[in-house]
Amino acid sequence: QSALTQPPSASGSPGQSVTISCTGISSDVGGYNYVSWYQQHPGKAPKLMIYEVTKRPSGVPDRFSGSKSGDTASLTVSGLQAEDEAEYYCSSYAGDNNYVFGSGTKVTVL
Amino acid sequence: QVQLVQSGSELKKPGASVKVSCKASGSKPSGYKFINYAMNWVRQAPGQGPEWMGWIDTNTGNPTYAPGFTGRFVFSLDTSVNTALLQISSLKAEDTAVYYCAKEVLGLVLTGGMDVWGQGTAVTVSS
Repeated sequence: QSALTQPPSASGSPGQSVTISCTGISSDVGGYNYVSWYQQHPGKAPKLMIYEVTKRPSGVPDRFSGSKSGDTASLTVSGLQAEDEAEYYCSSYAGDNNYVFGSGTKVTVL
Repeated sequence: QVQLVQSGSELKKPGASVKVSCKASGSKPSGYKFINYAMNWVRQAPGQGPEWMGWIDTNTGNPTYAPGFTGRFVFSLDTSVNTALLQISSLKAEDTAVYYCAKEVLGLVLTGGMDVWGQGTAVTVSS
């Protein structure tokens, strides 16, 4: 399976919002409500921020929200803070007990 | 709270094998049971994004491998010590990466989330 498509970079000033897209196909993003988003700081393990498209694990600020329309999922970070600067990866269930990750988006807080 | 602790960094020569361990522990209030949550394995090559390698059903021991991770990669368990294992044989330079174990968020089915990750094990393959 091919990696999901994400923009390489996104940026915003503190307090602003940034939205990252994650585009797949009907057999992954479009076919299931099983999209998750991960935040990764350099040298650290990824951290789950959103699962099942819109759900936030305990401890994740409500500034992070997810949505999906057709074959494209989105992560919105509202009220950007300096600590939100990181790489973000989407992932989707792709059928037959398989996952696929996105290509990654580097979020810069200006 | 659930923790996954992986074995340390490895430096191997091409053609050798490596085994990475991932030991799970959970404090009593979490109610975590190792055999109730699928374990995923994820590879991240230097400067690249994560790549899902597959998962193992911690109740049955049945592994599922992603395309590209069949043949030289083996997932196994030692449920007596709540540990998942990844063995890679016939190592190649392109296997140089950080390998992560990651617990499935809701149970023994893949529902789109890995909520607890190990700290990663760096495997370097070099002559």
